Amino acid sequence: KAGVTQTPRYLIKTRGQQVTLSCSPISGHRSVSWYQQTPGQGLQFLFEYFSETQRNKGNFPGRFSGRQFSNSRSEMNVSTLELGDSALYLCASSFGQGVSGELFFGEGSRLTVL
Amino acid sequence: GDSVTQMEGPVTLSEEAFLTINCTYTATGYPSLFWYVQYPGEGLQLLLKATKADDKGSNKGFEATYRKETTSFHLEKGSVQVSDSAVYFCALIPYSGNTPLVFGKGTRLSVIA
Repeated sequence: KAGVTQTPRYLIKTRGQQVTLSCSPISGHRSVSWYQQTPGQGLQFLFEYFSETQRNKGNFPGRFSGRQFSNSRSEMNVSTLELGDSALYLCASSFGQGVSGELFFGEGSRLTVL
Repeated sequence: GDSVTQMEGPVTLSEEAFLTINCTYTATGYPSLFWYVQYPGEGLQLLLKATKADDKGSNKGFEATYRKETTSFHLEKGSVQVSDSAVYFCALIPYSGNTPLVFGKGTRLSVIA
């Protein structure tokens, strides 16, 4: 069965622009989580969606937003990009609401902000 | 709040050496503990887990024991291979389960032939 698919894999933006990243979870999985990975901070939790509802949110500014569609696909958006937003953005899916802790990760979208 | 502390990397070992990556946690109650691995250019994947004290998780020759008395979940492997080169993340999920995984910062392992 297909894994978690993230698009685009790589993108370059300039400060002030906005970006939308997409995530297609494993078929049948209803929970999607997003993480930001940077060398200095490691993995930081952004948000989790379950059945189109945001269940948890990390400590990120309002410029970071997300949503989940009825087919469980998810998007995250970052507006007014800053240099510090350069990172690998990882999406992960799970069947339930993450209670088991077993997440299936995509390969990530690497964002570079110039 | 809940947190995970891992040993700083990078760790460089020769093939067939013994591996230990230390992980300690701070959490209320009885969290579930995990090790995830990230191979170059890939996303993270679950390596092993333990859900209660004294449980031992094991997979692909790796193992870790949930030690509540020392709040630790150290990852070990008796004989590493070049293919084990990756970044290893220790993580926990609180007992309540309704909160996201909390990850450590990761430990990069390089195994040289």
